[in-house]
Amino acid sequence: ELKVEQNPLFLSMQEGKNYTIYCNYSTTSDRLYWYRQDPGKSLESLFVLLSNGAVKQEGRLMASLDTKARLSTLHITAAVHDLSATYFCAVGFGNEKLTFGTGTRLTIIP
Amino acid sequence: DGGITQSPKYLFRKEGQNVTLSCEQNLNHDAMYWYRQDPGQGLRLIYYSQIVNDFQKGDIAEGYSVSREKKESFPLTVTSAQKNPTAFYLCASSIPGPYGYTFGSGTRLTVV
Repeated sequence: ELKVEQNPLFLSMQEGKNYTIYCNYSTTSDRLYWYRQDPGKSLESLFVLLSNGAVKQEGRLMASLDTKARLSTLHITAAVHDLSATYFCAVGFGNEKLTFGTGTRLTIIP
Repeated sequence: DGGITQSPKYLFRKEGQNVTLSCEQNLNHDAMYWYRQDPGQGLRLIYYSQIVNDFQKGDIAEGYSVSREKKESFPLTVTSAQKNPTAFYLCASSIPGPYGYTFGSGTRLTVV
């Protein structure tokens, strides 16, 4: 059974700082996704990572994938308040349903 | 524009009532999913369907039922057997391939 763990679960960081969210998964996967959720809202797709060493960047967010370590990271550079949200990773294989991580609630403090 | 529409946005249920949450998509997606999210928690899969007239239980199916009579529609009924139904419910859909899920805007269900 595929298990997906994120850490930390909660993260408070100051504006302007850098930090990384980690997503570990337990079995072989060929796709990994990062989603963002604002309070009371739906999930918005951020990145899809499909191969070992894949790196995607959008603004202050950068996601990477190491399939050998079964690890993805979401790096936040020079955080701003607008990035406050809950971030989920989700892992899948082929056309099987995705398994979601527990989420990381990120709060950016001015 | 294509997308997933969930209705209603807010729903109130009395004790002992069944209620049905609607999920409609015009994306021509084959698969559809229902998730439950409790405050401050992650997503838990209730039911999913990969083709019309077929669906599978997820991790927390007890107290819920679904149907998939049309490709576009995947309604979720919260039955009176679900003892703690207050939660945020999200519907999603997908197509085969590395495209991820598209989510609806959610329904917030409260027991009164």
